[in-house]
Amino acid sequence: NAGVMQNPRHLVRRRGQEARLRCSPMKGHSHVYWYRQLPEEGLKFMVYLQKENIIDESGMPKERFSAEFPKEGPSILRIQQVVRGDSAAYFCASRKAGTANTGELFFGEGSRLTVL
Amino acid sequence: QKEVEQNSGPLSVPEGAIASLNCTYSDRGSQSFFWYRQYSGKSPELIMSIYSNGDKEDGRFTAQLNKASQYVSLLIRDSQPSDSATYLCAGGRGGSYDKVIFGPGTSLSVIP
Repeated sequence: NAGVMQNPRHLVRRRGQEARLRCSPMKGHSHVYWYRQLPEEGLKFMVYLQKENIIDESGMPKERFSAEFPKEGPSILRIQQVVRGDSAAYFCASRKAGTANTGELFFGEGSRLTVL
Repeated sequence: QKEVEQNSGPLSVPEGAIASLNCTYSDRGSQSFFWYRQYSGKSPELIMSIYSNGDKEDGRFTAQLNKASQYVSLLIRDSQPSDSATYLCAGGRGGSYDKVIFGPGTSLSVIP
């Protein structure tokens, strides 16, 4: 039973390029969360999605960032025209729907983005 | 005002001692609370969840929740060097659509 799978694990981009981060949730999980973590800081909520639906994107910057979770395939976090301040670890987490223990998230290993 | 607050530490305790980690939250609608452990360079892993006022024990870990005071704590008994990590407190409102918010984390160092 595979856990939450994220790829790439490490990504290097030059300023102005696009970054695409992928997340496949655990089997049977239909809720996906994206968090950003800067060095020595906590996890900052970005977006919460279900299949084909964005539930809460209140943590997403208004420009350059977008996320999707299509009916088929992984969830994707897309960052356009990256800047150095986007360098961070991006964690994806998933959980089951409709369980009493809501909020018990299972995390992927993270994607570490470096912008040169 | 941050939604979930923690002392950033670092907190240092000798091996075998009790480590006490504290967390406060501002959203009175929060119903679910979690403690995650994160080793350096690794992903967070859930170690405790608590939903009701009072104490919940699991092995060497005890989580405490006081909703009136909006306070959550984690006690680690008989601390081991392998407990050295950052501990993240998180809270959510529960229900089907739950945005889980994390605190900044407390760094714990257990000295052999």
